[in-house]
Amino acid sequence: DSGVTQTPKHLITATGQRVTLRCSPRSGDLSVYWYQQSLDQGLQFLIQYYNGEERAKGNILERFSAQQFPDLHSELNLSSLELGDSALYFCASSRSGGANEGYFGPGTRLTVL
Amino acid sequence: GENVEQHPSTLSVQEGDSAVIKCTYSDSASNYFPWYKQELGKRPQLIIDIRSNVGEKKDQRIAVTLNKTAKHFSLHITETQPEDSAVYFCAASLASGGSYIPTFGRGTSLIVHP
Repeated sequence: DSGVTQTPKHLITATGQRVTLRCSPRSGDLSVYWYQQSLDQGLQFLIQYYNGEERAKGNILERFSAQQFPDLHSELNLSSLELGDSALYFCASSRSGGANEGYFGPGTRLTVL
Repeated sequence: GENVEQHPSTLSVQEGDSAVIKCTYSDSASNYFPWYKQELGKRPQLIIDIRSNVGEKKDQRIAVTLNKTAKHFSLHITETQPEDSAVYFCAASLASGGSYIPTFGRGTSLIVHP
């Protein structure tokens, strides 16, 4: 157990809908990273937050947004969902930014029908 | 942007053999190269990493080598065991100023036969 928690574990929704995925980092970690893993695209970095501020952006679609709250938990919002958004969404956390020390959460499996 | 190629996509070895997975990257600015192991149905786990100012790093049975000039890096696993069976991902990243932007390879499925 890495100490990073994600909810929910599974999410099934319909095209056009909006969902929110939640991540709580390990105690003391200030940086949160979001990743998408799908058969089509592989593992992709989406976005990084550090102490409440966006620090780096990867291949995140405009329909997706994220934020990190004062208590350091983070949420990834996915809207106008499409079938291709079906994937595993992982978050990870680290003490500081700069490099991921590799503490991934268990992931949220999103299925868009 | 960065592009990472990973080969082979599948690697089948006998227990005790060595396994080598190779990755190439395109952006010479990349300076941090982690490797992840992902067992079926589980989260990725960082197993070893190397920074651009180092040519080789070893941790027990695993080692990583980096050739900055050729822009390629490799994962070496010696004395493979069945529990090494998993998907391995390489990544090339720019890590600076508190930010980290990785680009991943497509993964190598390693199968170790007892």
